[in-house]
Formats: sequence, structure tokens, C-alpha cells
Amino acid sequence: GAVVSQHPSRVICKSGTSVKIECRSLDFQATTMFWYRQFPKQSLMLMATSNEGSKATYEQGVEKDKFLINHASLTLSTLTVTSAHPEDSSFYICSARGASGRLSYNEQFFGPGTRLTVL
Amino acid sequence: AQKVTQAQTEISVVEKEDVTLDCVYETRDTTYYLFWYKQPPSGELVFLIRRNSFDEQNEISGRYSWNFQKSTSSFNFTITASQVVDSAVYFCAVIKAAGNKLTFGGGTRVLVKP
Repeated sequence: GAVVSQHPSRVICKSGTSVKIECRSLDFQATTMFWYRQFPKQSLMLMATSNEGSKATYEQGVEKDKFLINHASLTLSTLTVTSAHPEDSSFYICSARGASGRLSYNEQFFGPGTRLTVL
Repeated sequence: AQKVTQAQTEISVVEKEDVTLDCVYETRDTTYYLFWYKQPPSGELVFLIRRNSFDEQNEISGRYSWNFQKSTSSFNFTITASQVVDSAVYFCAVIKAAGNKLTFGGGTRVLVKP
């Protein structure tokens, strides 16, 4: 199956610092990547959708200047949490969707997640 | 807009009991996909099944089975003879066929006690 990795798996940072999370599709080209946020004991909420080479589309209520998304290549998307605050502490999960062909067009493959703790 | 409701927030069973997780979805689309995912304590989402809206055939995979009832917009999931390793949060989700947004239900936490 298709594999998606995330790095780091866990990060602790001080309030006010910026944190970058990487999402990589290891064995397929991801034309679209998605970023989700999951607070404790809650469901996954889509934050934004990014297509390679274009600006990300953010869901309502998600600050695009705070959560910077870059999808510079077909195998890498990054999420940068700028000036992180304790309320940004959450589990961030990415998923990737491949182009048509070997993989089902609408199949999303999830990364293992990144647990962010802001002190 | 789509919506997924998992009415059971938490279910506790004793090992070897069967457990059924309910999922009711809402969508205006005629073609869509339904999913079930397992999220163990480690946090990683584990894909369990995908079903398209035109395939109402029920499916069994080992101890797992799924009952898709399009007439009632339900896609229920049963674990037979539960094991401690089945303890996790289970999410039901829906996406329209040509869509981007995967909409998740609130999840059901299953606790299997030895």
C-alpha cells in the first residue's frame, strides 16, 4: 500500500516559537495533501487542502497566516505553526492523495501524526 | 455538506463479546464513499474498509463485518469475539466521489476488558 510519513512524530516547543511539520508520500506522487487537527478525545477536523504548486485552501476558521502550508513537490508538504501558543497543542495528521492510475483517485493515505505540545 | 453521526461515544465490553458500532451519514450526493478507520492509542489511523455508494453488499473480513444500509443511510461495523487489541477509537467517514473533503464522525471509543 501507499506509505505516508510525518516528521517529527512528537515536538515540544516554547510559546512564541514556530514549528515545522513535514508530510511525505514515500512511494507515490501526491497531487493533493490534507492537514487535519485532532484535539484530545475529539474527531479529526480538516484544516486545509494543498495541491502541488498552488496555494492551500483553508477551512473556515483556520488562520492561514498562523498555519502556513507549503506543497512544493509531489512528495512533500509542510505545515508550519507560527508563533505557537498552548492552545495550538494538538495532534496534527496529514494525508495524501495520489494522481489517477495505480491508486484510486479518491483514496487518502494517512501519516502517523505529529503530537505538538506548546509550553 | 456532509455529516456523519456516531451516536455511541464509548463502548465497554468484556473480551470475546461482540460489539457493533453505529454510523449514520448524511449526504446529498448520489455517488460517495464510506470508510471506517481504527485509531489505536498510538494515534495512527488504520484504514479498515472503503465502500462505494453503489455497493450495498455486506462484507466480512476476519472478525470484522460491515452492514451498509443505503435506505437508512447507515454503515455499521461489528467486531466479533472482541479482543483486548481491538481497544481503540473507531471513526466512520464519508466523502463524495469527486470531492476533497473527508468528513469524519465523532468517533466511538471501544474498550475491551480482559
